[in-house]
Amino acid sequence: IQMTQSPSSLSASVGDRVTITCRASQSISRYLNWYQQKPGKAPKLMIYAASALQNGVPSRFSGSGSGTEFSLTISSLQPEDFATYYCQQTYSTPRDTFGGGTKVEMK
Amino acid sequence: EVQLLESGGDLVQPGGSLRLSCAASGFTFSSYAMSWVRQGPGKGLEWVSTISGSGDRVDYADSVKGRFTISRDNSKNTLYLQMNSLRGEDTAVFYCAKVGAITPPNFDYWGQGTLVTVSS
Repeated sequence: IQMTQSPSSLSASVGDRVTITCRASQSISRYLNWYQQKPGKAPKLMIYAASALQNGVPSRFSGSGSGTEFSLTISSLQPEDFATYYCQQTYSTPRDTFGGGTKVEMK
Repeated sequence: EVQLLESGGDLVQPGGSLRLSCAASGFTFSSYAMSWVRQGPGKGLEWVSTISGSGDRVDYADSVKGRFTISRDNSKNTLYLQMNSLRGEDTAVFYCAKVGAITPPNFDYWGQGTLVTVSS
């Protein structure tokens, strides 16, 4: 199952609303997770099952979608949110696949 | 507190071998599947291998099947990845990750990573 993220990068300012899209090559129900990765650090689980917020993740993060189209939204971008975000499908687990990533940069 | 600590990364020549380890603490290790995920320099994340909690089920990405072997020692709370016939394209940071308990599955904890460089 191929996962395609868009855009591959974006520039935004603190306070902006940001949306990242992830598309699956076939239906994956809601078997979709989102990770945040900062430079030199391990990925961190942010959202699982398409829309469930992992413990400790701020409520400005939200996820939606099912089937083949998914999105991650940051309602009001904060300085600590500048990072790269990856979607992951686990419909074909353990043969999970990740999207190519979306780098959120400061404008 | 869940902790995963990888070790064993190194510079190795093409065709060589290396064994990575991941020491786990803060949870009942034997109750959870564990995975290895790698990230090439400047690249995205790639799932490599997963092993069940008991160790009786394993799976591999096609890119490493036949060359890499995942295993675990539940008495030592340690995950391993034996890598043979290494190639330049195996150069990456290798992360171990704990598979979460909830469905659908996810990687709820990750180690800090260990760097494997394959070069002559």
